[in-house]
Amino acid sequence: GESVGLHLPTLSVQEGDNSIINCAYSNSASDYFIWYKQESGKGPQFIIDIRSNMDKRQGQRVTVLLNKTVKHLSLQIAATQPGDSAVYFCAERSQGAGGTSYGKLTFGQGTILTVHP
Amino acid sequence: GAVVSQHPSRVICKSGTSVKIECRSLDFQATTMFWYRQFPKQSLMLMATSNEGSKATYEQGVEKDKFLINHASLTLSTLTVTSAHPEDSSFYICSARSSGIVLNTEAFFGQGTRLTVV
Repeated sequence: GESVGLHLPTLSVQEGDNSIINCAYSNSASDYFIWYKQESGKGPQFIIDIRSNMDKRQGQRVTVLLNKTVKHLSLQIAATQPGDSAVYFCAERSQGAGGTSYGKLTFGQGTILTVHP
Repeated sequence: GAVVSQHPSRVICKSGTSVKIECRSLDFQATTMFWYRQFPKQSLMLMATSNEGSKATYEQGVEKDKFLINHASLTLSTLTVTSAHPEDSSFYICSARSSGIVLNTEAFFGQGTRLTVV
């Protein structure tokens, strides 16, 4: 199950189960959202993205849902595998100054996903 | 796919010395590069935004004289940690934003540099 506190939230699942990782974002003006996977000692790896004019986007085994009303983003991983074990971060991109360029990314706190064989 | 190479992957230095970390975009031009710092079990915190040919923009609380950023070309940005102290020990990560038209403009991160100051 999930726990939130001073430590990163954790999610433990069995291999083959579906995983849902949640993220609350802060800026209602953000126009672009990304999910990243980070394995220990490595940089973030792009998983899937979604623009603010969409509410759902699907990739290979992953689906991202965006609820702008409550500023909530989720990542669904189908048939989770041990190789999916990692820390997952959502990130939001604010609009650039004057709306003419892309702004910076702000990362969420992350969720540790552990997949048990 | 586009690759961002970060070097070195690990470095140990003595307190008071300076360390330079390189971030290169290998197969695309990056007008903007970002430098992040990540402490154990925490998220990535943006330190500064680096635009080619201009001064970097630092986030609040990041000392620009301590973390020197140079972005002299469209494929290389460097971060120099000057007069490093043990509290600067962290995982430093760069990312590069392509200047071309690509779908995933935020996809490209380096592999990170683990800095340990002793």
